[in-house]
Amino acid sequence: KAGVTQTPRYLIKTRGQQVTLSCSPISGHRSVSWYQQTPGQGLQFLFEYFSETQRNKGNFPGRFSGRQFSNSRSEMNVSTLELGDSALYLCASSPGTSGIETQYFGPGTRLLVL
Amino acid sequence: AQSVTQLDSHVSVSEGTPVLLRCNYSSSYSPSLFWYVQHPNKGLQLLLKYTSAATLVKGINGFEAEFKKSETSFHLTKPSAHMSDAAEYFCVVSTSEGYQKVTFGTGTKLQVIP
Repeated sequence: KAGVTQTPRYLIKTRGQQVTLSCSPISGHRSVSWYQQTPGQGLQFLFEYFSETQRNKGNFPGRFSGRQFSNSRSEMNVSTLELGDSALYLCASSPGTSGIETQYFGPGTRLLVL
Repeated sequence: AQSVTQLDSHVSVSEGTPVLLRCNYSSSYSPSLFWYVQHPNKGLQLLLKYTSAATLVKGINGFEAEFKKSETSFHLTKPSAHMSDAAEYFCVVSTSEGYQKVTFGTGTKLQVIP
């Protein structure tokens, strides 16, 4: 089976712009979670989607949003980018049962905001 | 409330010597605890997990961790470091308080010296 894929792998944007990141889960997985990793804050949970519905949400402002399609692929959108949004954004997929240990992580999208 | 503290941001060991990465946690509920490894430009990989069964947990690549409730610790160890162990390691606590809450430690970078 192919692993979790994320596109693009690297991205450079400027403040005020918006960005959309994509995640394709492992075939058959119905849950997709998103995480932000920064040197200062470490790894933080953004949100989780299951069957096209947001099932769980972290403590991030409304500028961060996501969605999931019927084929379980997920997108994450960040509007009005700030310098502090520069981070590695990780996506993880799981069959659907709860539990972080069931998640398989993608390689991430590295976003740089200038 | 829950939190995770990784006591060392960097650990350096010689190849063939033991590895100790320290993790303390706090949680109002019975937690599940995990260790993840992240190699450069790669996603997170689960090393091992503790979910209230045996307190000594064996994981992949020769790593193990011991859950000590009295000390609220979950330290990761390996008897003999290998060059391929050089990576960043994350201690994670997870509780189910109606929904799953996941908290990551800030990470420990392990350097292995030949």
